[in-house]
Amino acid sequence: GGIITQTPKFLIGQEGQKLTLKCQQNFNHDTMYWYRQDSGKGLRLIYYSITENDLQKGDLSEGYDASREKKSSFSLTVTSAQKNEMAVFLCASSITGTGYAEQFFGPGTRLTVL
Amino acid sequence: GDSVTQTEGPVTVSESESLIINCTYSATSIAYPNLFWYVRYPGEGLQLLLKVITAGQKGSSRGFEATYNKETTSFHLQKASVQESDSAVYYCALGDVGDNSKLIWGLGTSLVVNP
Repeated sequence: GGIITQTPKFLIGQEGQKLTLKCQQNFNHDTMYWYRQDSGKGLRLIYYSITENDLQKGDLSEGYDASREKKSSFSLTVTSAQKNEMAVFLCASSITGTGYAEQFFGPGTRLTVL
Repeated sequence: GDSVTQTEGPVTVSESESLIINCTYSATSIAYPNLFWYVRYPGEGLQLLLKVITAGQKGSSRGFEATYNKETTSFHLQKASVQESDSAVYYCALGDVGDNSKLIWGLGTSLVVNP
């Protein structure tokens, strides 16, 4: 088995601040994802990456940057935090090449912007 | 567009009762839809419960089952006899066989099983 770790677990920022979230996986999966989940809502895809140094935008990419410098890690940057923003950011990974592959999720990073 | 609608929670049942959580989908831009149920137990990360990639097939796991019904565009989750340990949030999701990135999520249904 494998595991996905996300750091930090809780992130508190100020309005306008640039904030970075990190994700590591040891499944040796090619594809990694960043999702955002707001309270009472479904997951929405921000960015995904099918291999090292690849980046693909999801439906919610505006206001975010991502980086995949290694196969095992995928980071997400909130370029300018919005006041009163609260959400949980989930990182996931899966085997590339199949549209029905199981995604494995990390525990999440909970963001609060003051 | 593509969407997933599921039973609004919370759903509260007593242990040993039967359960059904409804999930219906719209896959207007997906040629070959496939369907998933994910679950988040308290204190744990989101994990796959079951998936079905072929219409007409049934998936099952941990006593839960769901049948991919293309005619009614549904993928309802059922269990004959729930346990307290089934208390969790359940998410229905719609995927695209040809696009690994595309997973449309329902809002989630919180299930509370009383002892």
